[in-house]
Amino acid sequence: SSELTQDPAVSVALGQTVRITCQGDSLKNYYASWYQQKPGQAPVLIIYGETNRPSGIPDRFSGSRSGNTASLTVTGAQAEDEGDYYCNSRDTSGTQVVFGGGTKLTV
Amino acid sequence: EVQLVESGGIEVQPGGSLRLSCAASGFTFRTYTMHWVRQPPGKGLEWVSLITGHGRLTAYADSVRGRFAISRDNSKNSLYLRLDSLTPEDTGFYYCAKEHDTGWPTFDSWGPGTLVTVSS
Repeated sequence: SSELTQDPAVSVALGQTVRITCQGDSLKNYYASWYQQKPGQAPVLIIYGETNRPSGIPDRFSGSRSGNTASLTVTGAQAEDEGDYYCNSRDTSGTQVVFGGGTKLTV
Repeated sequence: EVQLVESGGIEVQPGGSLRLSCAASGFTFRTYTMHWVRQPPGKGLEWVSLITGHGRLTAYADSVRGRFAISRDNSKNSLYLRLDSLTPEDTGFYYCAKEHDTGWPTFDSWGPGTLVTVSS
């Protein structure tokens, strides 16, 4: 089982705001990253170091953390934002990488 | 432009072995820690292993430790994963991933993946 917990699915109306969460004890000590994956494609990094966006990622994607919960917020969701979203970080021992179970976003 | 291309995925019987390769280009390969991540069809991502740039440090997920071996050849800009004692639970897409400059576990580039099927 994953040490990072995500809701399996969320939905949002076109143009509205949605928050996807990732909960785990290791997040108190280690940064989370977020990835978007569309069917048949490899994951794409969209947030790193909890709040940073790689170049080319739209600014409607933002990241934050409170306690042991990291969040990905999509402000003004677009149809092309549909897909699976995964968080990852280190495990509580700091020696391995863990992924959340993924959240399927429907717009 | 960073490019990662995996190869070597095939259908193999339980108990079998194979080696996956990942050809890297577009960055200074020897200076980056590299990872393998896998994904069973229709399921989530699972980290498998990492190897530091010089190859002296490796780490494995508990589910594969003792059965899988990661390695690299910096002269060929290539990453490898040896898979032994395969079980059906090892079936999935295997991605190689480059670590972000800020360190792991952030992966800023991924290959398209190669499919490993373990079936009798």
